[in-house]
Formats: sequence, C-alpha cells, structure tokens
Amino acid sequence: NAGVTQTPKFQVLKTGQSMTLQCAQDMNHNSMYWYRQDPGMGLRLIYYSASEGTTDKGEVPNGYNVSRLNKREFSLRLESAAPSQTSVYFCASSEEGVSGYTFGSGTRLTVV
Amino acid sequence: SQQGEEDPQALSIQEGENATMNCSYKTSINNLQWYRQNSGRGLVHLILIRSNEREKHSGRLRVTLDTSKKSSSLLITASRAADTASYFCATGLTGGGNKLTFGTGTQLKVEL
Repeated sequence: NAGVTQTPKFQVLKTGQSMTLQCAQDMNHNSMYWYRQDPGMGLRLIYYSASEGTTDKGEVPNGYNVSRLNKREFSLRLESAAPSQTSVYFCASSEEGVSGYTFGSGTRLTVV
Repeated sequence: SQQGEEDPQALSIQEGENATMNCSYKTSINNLQWYRQNSGRGLVHLILIRSNEREKHSGRLRVTLDTSKKSSSLLITASRAADTASYFCATGLTGGGNKLTFGTGTQLKVEL
C-alpha cells in the first residue's frame, strides 16, 4: 500500500509564482489535512477536509487555497508564493472519528 | 501559541537506557497522540490515548496522561540507536473533530 503520496518532493519557486502541491491517499480515509513544518515551530495546520466536499481553515490559512477533488485527493495551492512560505509541507489523512494520522513524506518548498 | 509543549527540547542517552519525554497542553482535550519523525521524513503515528485513559502501552512504549495537570509523558524503554528521531505530541481538542495541534518536539539521540 502506498499510503499517502505527495508530489513533488522538492520545489523552488520565485516570489509571485504559483504552484499546486498534490496529495493522494489510498486508504479510503474520510479526513485529510495540510500542515507546514518550520524549524522550532512544530507542525501548523493550514487547511483540512473532514470529508469529501468540505474544507475548512486551520491555524495558518493565509496565502493558500485547497481543493478536495474527490475522496482520495486533496491539493494545496499557492497563488502568489512569498519567501515566508518557504517550509516543508505535509499532507495527512485519517479515518472518521478520533484516530491517528498517516502522513506523506513531505514537500520541501523554497521561495526565493 | 502552541497547544502542546514538549520537554526537554533535546535528549541524549546511551543505548539500553530509558528515555522519557513530557508534553504539557493548555485546553481541554479528547485525545493525545505521540508521533515519531526521522530526519527528513514524514511523521509516524506511535500511540493514541483518550482523555478517559490514564496509561497505555505499545511494545517498548508507555504513555501516561494526567488531565488534571494537563500533561502526558512518553517512556521508551531499553532504547536503541534506531529510536533516534524527533518525537511530537499532538492534542485533539474537545469539540475539534479529529484536528490535531502539534507541539514543537523533543529531539532524541540514542548513542551506541
């Protein structure tokens, strides 16, 4: 089983460019999440989707948009990248109810 | 501010010793989870403890939860070099669905 697959693994953007981070899970999980990880700050929730067709803001949503394309896929879009968005981005999924997350391997994004 | 704060920030021990990490949080939770992250990789779910539980075991892992003190501890017994990683606690808030708020992590180094 692949679990949670994120693409790309690495990306360098220029300030103002846009890009979409892709995430797909094959575990039939209802809930999906996007987090960013910065040194010394742990993981912070950007957006989440409790179920197919719904999305909600997390702690740090500014500058991002998301799409829950179907039950498997949850994408994160940066419309106009800024250096402050340089980070490692993790997608995760979980079953309905209280349960542990399965994480992808991350996308390391640098905005110059 | 972070909901969960781990202590210590860094811990270095010898192989075979026990490692204890602590997590404190601020608001009412319905569950607390511990994750491991190896360098450059995604997070891996270790154990989940619900707010009505006080202790849980999984292999060499023992987790305790004290809701009156808003704290949890993770004990790794008979540590191995392969346990070298960062460990994060994550809290699920009461009424928060399955959203998790992560702490800043403890870096554990197990030396041969």
